[in-house]
Amino acid sequence: DAGVIQSPRHEVTEMGQEVTLRCKPISGHNSLFWYRQTMMRGLELLIYFNNNVPIDDSGMPEDRFSAKMPNASFSTLKIQPSEPRDSAVYFCASSHDSNQPQHFGDGTRLSIL
Amino acid sequence: AQKITQTQPGMFVQEKEAVTLDCTYDTSDPSYGLFWYKQPSSGEMIFLIYQGSYDQQNATEGRYSLNFQKARKSANLVISASQLGDSAMYFCAMREGQGATNKLIFGTGTLLAVQP
Repeated sequence: DAGVIQSPRHEVTEMGQEVTLRCKPISGHNSLFWYRQTMMRGLELLIYFNNNVPIDDSGMPEDRFSAKMPNASFSTLKIQPSEPRDSAVYFCASSHDSNQPQHFGDGTRLSIL
Repeated sequence: AQKITQTQPGMFVQEKEAVTLDCTYDTSDPSYGLFWYKQPSSGEMIFLIYQGSYDQQNATEGRYSLNFQKARKSANLVISASQLGDSAMYFCAMREGQGATNKLIFGTGTLLAVQP
């Protein structure tokens, strides 16, 4: 079975540019999560969706970050404009329901120069 | 207060021995779930084991077992017969409540090094 698929795996761009990260959850999973991992702050939940609806976006750092889930099989996390402090590994995860584990994608390693 | 505390930044274990990774949690919700994930140097997050707050028995998955002590609010991961491939960062996580809420709170992780 295909797991959570994230693209791109690596992204290097200059500050000020728009960055779009993509995620395809596991088919049949109704919850989707975006996390950011840094050495300083560890693993932080940015936003999560349930049945394509954003439930909690309190972890989104600021207005430069936005996330969408237009359908059950696709989500995007957008940063515009990007800044060097946004450099991190961004994970997408999905789960079937609240008692099931979240399954993570391989992450996108983002470097903003 | 920290919701999930992993007090061991790093651990060493000899190959083939057992190792316990500590995790304590803080919640007033009677319904919660505890998870352990492994993150090898390649970076992916791998689900290992789950324990529900109402589960009567400690969870086990192959060489992984969870030593769940509810009164002490601890959910330690035990890895038996360590292998070199077990070297990785290990994260404990908690989900509070039920229903639509499926938010996980992660600890800071423990870096395990298995020595030959």
